[in-house]
Amino acid sequence: GDSVTQMEGPVTLSEEAFLTINCTYTATGYPSLFWYVQYPGEGLQLLLKATKADDKGSNKGFEATYRKETTSFHLEKGSVQVSDSAVYFCALHTGNQFYFGTGTSLTVIP
Amino acid sequence: EAQVTQNPRYLITVTGKKLTVTCSQNMNHEYMSWYRQDPGLGLRQIYYSMNVEVTDKGDVPEGYKVSRKEKRNFPLILESPSPNQTSLYFCASSRGLAGVYGETQYFGPGTRLLVL
Repeated sequence: GDSVTQMEGPVTLSEEAFLTINCTYTATGYPSLFWYVQYPGEGLQLLLKATKADDKGSNKGFEATYRKETTSFHLEKGSVQVSDSAVYFCALHTGNQFYFGTGTSLTVIP
Repeated sequence: EAQVTQNPRYLITVTGKKLTVTCSQNMNHEYMSWYRQDPGLGLRQIYYSMNVEVTDKGDVPEGYKVSRKEKRNFPLILESPSPNQTSLYFCASSRGLAGVYGETQYFGPGTRLLVL
């Protein structure tokens, strides 16, 4: 069935470090791919998305490219800040359902 | 302000006592959905609705019911809660058939449920 596998956490980085959170997916058809972010005590918020192969989603310095050949949608940021500390979820949407990864907790230390 | 609201935010109950968690959105969205979030398992979809009177099962529907009598509301009903339904629940909505258009889902703040 359809599913998302993302990098286990937690991840701890120093401020200004480079971030990569890996995400791979299994899906029939042509899914849309998303990264959502969850700050402590809050619901999820969309961070970025891509709806077709080779699309690049970007927002707030984060980027992810929809790679159909490797079925991946890795999240990257060149220089993280303390305010980026949160849980990040990779998700796919195919048909009428959404599938989420298990989440990766990121802590950025000054 | 565009938002998804859920009530209550926190709930402690006992096994077998029926409860309802309400969800409401003010964005005129067609698609609404319920998820549960558990450590190590991420978010799993319980039920979703593509429009009024149209609901369908997600991945983990057992022990839950939903209804969609009005476009803005999508309550989650636990007829006979059990301890394994202790979880963090999120309601979400989006404009249309997200799978086709890559529509963004908007999430509520969550409801933390403890079943004793």
